[in-house]
Amino acid sequence: KQEVTQIPAALSVPEGENLVLNCSFTDSAIYNLQWFRQDPGKGLTSLLLIQSSQREQTSGRLNASLDKSSGRSTLYIAASQPGDSATYLCAVRPDMRFGAGTRLTVKP
Amino acid sequence: SQTIHQWPATLVQPVGSPLSLECTVEGTSNPNLYWYRQAAGRGLQLLFYSVGIGQISSEVPQNLSASRPQDRQFILSSKKLLLSDSGFYLCAWSRQAQETQYFGPGTRLLVL
Repeated sequence: KQEVTQIPAALSVPEGENLVLNCSFTDSAIYNLQWFRQDPGKGLTSLLLIQSSQREQTSGRLNASLDKSSGRSTLYIAASQPGDSATYLCAVRPDMRFGAGTRLTVKP
Repeated sequence: SQTIHQWPATLVQPVGSPLSLECTVEGTSNPNLYWYRQAAGRGLQLLFYSVGIGQISSEVPQNLSASRPQDRQFILSSKKLLLSDSGFYLCAWSRQAQETQYFGPGTRLLVL
């Protein structure tokens, strides 16, 4: 059974800092991995989907990498802003297993 | 563009009462549809998914059921709610099974 872990559970950084969020999974036989953000009390917003054959995907200040063999993905956020404050979740297919998330706070 | 709606936004129900949550998608046809639950202190859990009208797959045994009476309508139901059914229920859709999933705004259910 696929297990997905996100470390750290919470992260607080000053505005402008570059940061990395981690997602690890136990079964490397994945189809793809999707990163989401969730604002308090809201639904999930898709950020990036990275296929198992890809090494990375970029969207604006976000860059997601995938190392399937080691069971890891990272989400890199450049020049963080207070508006980036949210919980970030990763999900691994085919079963759409979610990690518990990393709660990010960016302080002005 | 595609949009996904869920209602109600918030619901407070007594134990033993029935439940019906609705999800509708606009701007696409024959989507894959999903129901998730996010309980306090626990991660997001896939409950049901559907690849077409009347086709429902259950991921976990539970007190809930799902139905898809129309192409873009997905309903989550229960005959008798339990305290443990409290949580944040999210509906999502995707074009194909392994493509990007897009989530609705969610329904917060409190069972007392």
